[in-house]
Amino acid sequence: AQSVTQPDIHITVSEGASLELRCNYSYGATPYLFWYVQSPGQGLQLLLKYFSGDTLVQGIKGFEAEFKRSQSSFNLRKPSVHWSDAAEYFCAVGFNTDKLIFGTGTRLQVFP
Amino acid sequence: EAGVAQSPRYKIIEKRQSVAFWCNPISGHATLYWYQQILGQGPKLLIQFQNNGVVDDSQLPKDRFSAERLKGVDSTLKIQPAKLEDSAVYLCASSLELPTDTQYFGPGTRLTVL
Repeated sequence: AQSVTQPDIHITVSEGASLELRCNYSYGATPYLFWYVQSPGQGLQLLLKYFSGDTLVQGIKGFEAEFKRSQSSFNLRKPSVHWSDAAEYFCAVGFNTDKLIFGTGTRLQVFP
Repeated sequence: EAGVAQSPRYKIIEKRQSVAFWCNPISGHATLYWYQQILGQGPKLLIQFQNNGVVDDSQLPKDRFSAERLKGVDSTLKIQPAKLEDSAVYLCASSLELPTDTQYFGPGTRLTVL
């Protein structure tokens, strides 16, 4: 069955530290991959997406993600976290051109 | 460019009452989605429209939930009667056409069922 896993429910980092949020999927072919961010009381905003081509994808707000086919992963990274990055982050996967399946999210806390 | 609009932003009702949510997608977007986001979970697709036709409603509890998209633009989602477990944020999103096109989300409606 197709599935998306975000193993980390909650991550805490210090401002200025690097960040990596994990996302794994289960599917027989290469899916479409997305990362969304949700601030409290807000809708979701797209950070970046991968369909094909270069496996390192640059997004908004200094985020990047790398697709690793061998590990069925699409981890989100940022070299230096800012306090304003505190939010909930969702990985989403589209199989074929079907609906998106969202992970359960990772809540990021940033300490000064 | 105006974003996806939703109303109301908050709604509190008692169980067995009915409630309706409204969504106005981005102009020109053919596809509209309603998601349910329960606290601590990711959004779950309830229904997807392309223009005014239903593409996917496999996870819509049809005994109590209904949705329509008149004239292929605005959409309403209704719950009748509401249950306690319907307490969630209801998100509307729109995209140009395919689900793999970027989906733009509205701010959501937070529903509390007492």
